Amino acid sequence: QVQLQESGPGLVKPSQSLSLTCTVSDDSISSGGYYWSWIRQHPGEGLEWIGYIYYSATYYNPSLKSRVTISADTSKNQFSLKLSSVTVADTAVYYCARGTDSFIAYWGQGIQVTVSS
Amino acid sequence: EIVLTQSPGTLSLSPGDRATLSCRASESVSINFLAWYQQKPGQAPRLLIYGASTRATGIPDRFSGSGSGTDFSLTISRLEPEDFAVYYCQTFGSPLTFGGGTKVEIK
Repeated sequence: QVQLQESGPGLVKPSQSLSLTCTVSDDSISSGGYYWSWIRQHPGEGLEWIGYIYYSATYYNPSLKSRVTISADTSKNQFSLKLSSVTVADTAVYYCARGTDSFIAYWGQGIQVTVSS
Repeated sequence: EIVLTQSPGTLSLSPGDRATLSCRASESVSINFLAWYQQKPGQAPRLLIYGASTRATGIPDRFSGSGSGTDFSLTISRLEPEDFAVYYCQTFGSPLTFGGGTKVEIK
């Protein structure tokens, strides 16, 4: 079954950009039909959808839209998240996931990202 | 934006008890777009229910979902020790949204 693995720096300085990559195994992100998502979870809190890439189109949470870019590298079977101008409020566990138009069946294990100087 | 409100925030029950979790939407949601997830500490969420009432692959039949319109519920008929966790409902819109979660804890 499909597997997803997040990677990237665990520590980012305030005002810098956070960049994460999700490597997908046992599925092709170019095959279409799925929503390749980023979701985060602040410490002790609930889940917040960041955005997804569907075919080549991207959709973002309006609350983060001005700072978020999601892109895909089909040659590497990866998709990525870039969040600019981070603050301590962006400290969270970040998940990549594969979903349909109605649910999310596959999740990565999550990566802790801390924003601190 | 659809807001999902889950209640109660915490449910204190014993193994063998029946658990009923509520998810109320700020506007009508198609049953096709209502899902439930279970999350244990340090783990990613796991899909339990989609389409409001369809169990995901491998989910035991003690888990059931129901509801329509703005009111949905997740029922665990008899709690097993491994069921104590946090549960989230989710709908697929713009944006995709999650409820705030219900923690099912051991009484």
